[in-house]
Amino acid sequence: GQQVMQIPQYQHVQEGEDFTTYCNSSTTLSNIQWYKQRPGGHPVFLIQLVKSGEVKKQKRLTFQFGEAKKNSSLHITATQTTDVGTYFCVYRGGSNYKLTFGKGTLLTVNP
Amino acid sequence: DSGVTQTPKHLITATGQRVTLRCSPRSGDLSVYWYQQSLDQGLQFLIQYYNGEERAKGNILERFSAQQFPDLHSELNLSSLELGDSALYFCASSADFLGTDTQYFGPGTRLTVL
Repeated sequence: GQQVMQIPQYQHVQEGEDFTTYCNSSTTLSNIQWYKQRPGGHPVFLIQLVKSGEVKKQKRLTFQFGEAKKNSSLHITATQTTDVGTYFCVYRGGSNYKLTFGKGTLLTVNP
Repeated sequence: DSGVTQTPKHLITATGQRVTLRCSPRSGDLSVYWYQQSLDQGLQFLIQYYNGEERAKGNILERFSAQQFPDLHSELNLSSLELGDSALYFCASSADFLGTDTQYFGPGTRLTVL
């Protein structure tokens, strides 16, 4: 079956450092979404990627969808304490349109 | 504020009991999704309803059931509760059928089974 691995599971950085989380799939994805969940909060939609090789930017955040549509990444430039939270990739696949969240990457930022 | 409401915020109950969690989607959204979030399993998709009909099923146990009513609010029923059912239950809504639109999450219901 389709498997998506999200790495790393945890990442601790100093404020101002960059951060990247990756989602890698064993099969081609039709699209991928990214969500952020602050500690104690609920997931909040960040972006959706659909096209092969797509790159989208939101201020300090850069999202990429691989050429083969099997991997995606979220890169944060110059992290701030407000970036703290868990970042999830989300995809829908399989015959039952099952939605699957990656395990998430918990980002902590040391001020 | 996402516009999705969930009640109750917290629920404490005993093993073997049955509880009902309620969700009201954002105005205009026809799809409702239920998720379970626990420390060891992460965020697990349970089920999706679209305009009253079941649309997609995830890792939902047979002891759990859900429905979406004509006014589009949804309820998740959890029965014969076990300790392992303790988790945060999120409801989300979206406008579309396929789930490719943005999902807006509610604040969640924290269930504790003692």
